Amino acid sequence: AQTVTQSQPEMSVQEAETVTLSCTYDTSESDYYLFWYKQPPSRQMILVIRQEAYKQQNATENRFSVNFQKAAKSFSLKISDSQLGDAAMYFCAYRSPTSGTYKYIFGTGTRLKVLA
Amino acid sequence: ETGVTQTPRHLVMGMTNKKSLKCEQHLGHNAMYWYKQSAKKPLELMFVYSLEERVENNSVPSRFSPECPNSSHLFLHLHTLQPEDSALYLCASSQRTTDQETQYFGPGTRLLVL
Repeated sequence: AQTVTQSQPEMSVQEAETVTLSCTYDTSESDYYLFWYKQPPSRQMILVIRQEAYKQQNATENRFSVNFQKAAKSFSLKISDSQLGDAAMYFCAYRSPTSGTYKYIFGTGTRLKVLA
Repeated sequence: ETGVTQTPRHLVMGMTNKKSLKCEQHLGHNAMYWYKQSAKKPLELMFVYSLEERVENNSVPSRFSPECPNSSHLFLHLHTLQPEDSALYLCASSQRTTDQETQYFGPGTRLLVL
């Protein structure tokens, strides 16, 4: 069975600095999808970035980028120029592309604090 | 309304009560999900509906009963809950395609069982 591990329960970053959140996963599949979701306090969980495993190029979305290491089964999120609004819980998630499989597997999350 | 909405946002109920959570998606998606989010635990997938048919049930206790009358609405009926059922219940929706599928979440219902 697939698993997703986020080993950092909490991280802090100074405003305008860069922070990297770690995520590792375990799977025997060769093709799959990986996601980072952001859940601000008392607010909706939103998609930050997604990565298709068959793509070698790392996904980027403005200040958010990933370091996808398929062989190491690692999928870290880098936030550049951190802003106060980046403070949230960040969840890493895995999805199998297998037809009929609806299951997304989430990690336990990393709480990111941004210090002014 | 846009995206995925959930009502109520907060709910307090006794163990003998019956209540329902409602979810509505305005994205034209064809799959909807119920998740349970507890502190320091991964999101737990409870139910999945695709094209209004339940396709996955992860051995959730029978005191939780889902209903999906159409592709835009999803309910979670609650009865005789236990205090350990207190959690944030998230609804999500997605469009079932081969590779572009992404789940979109509602704001959640914070449930407290006394």
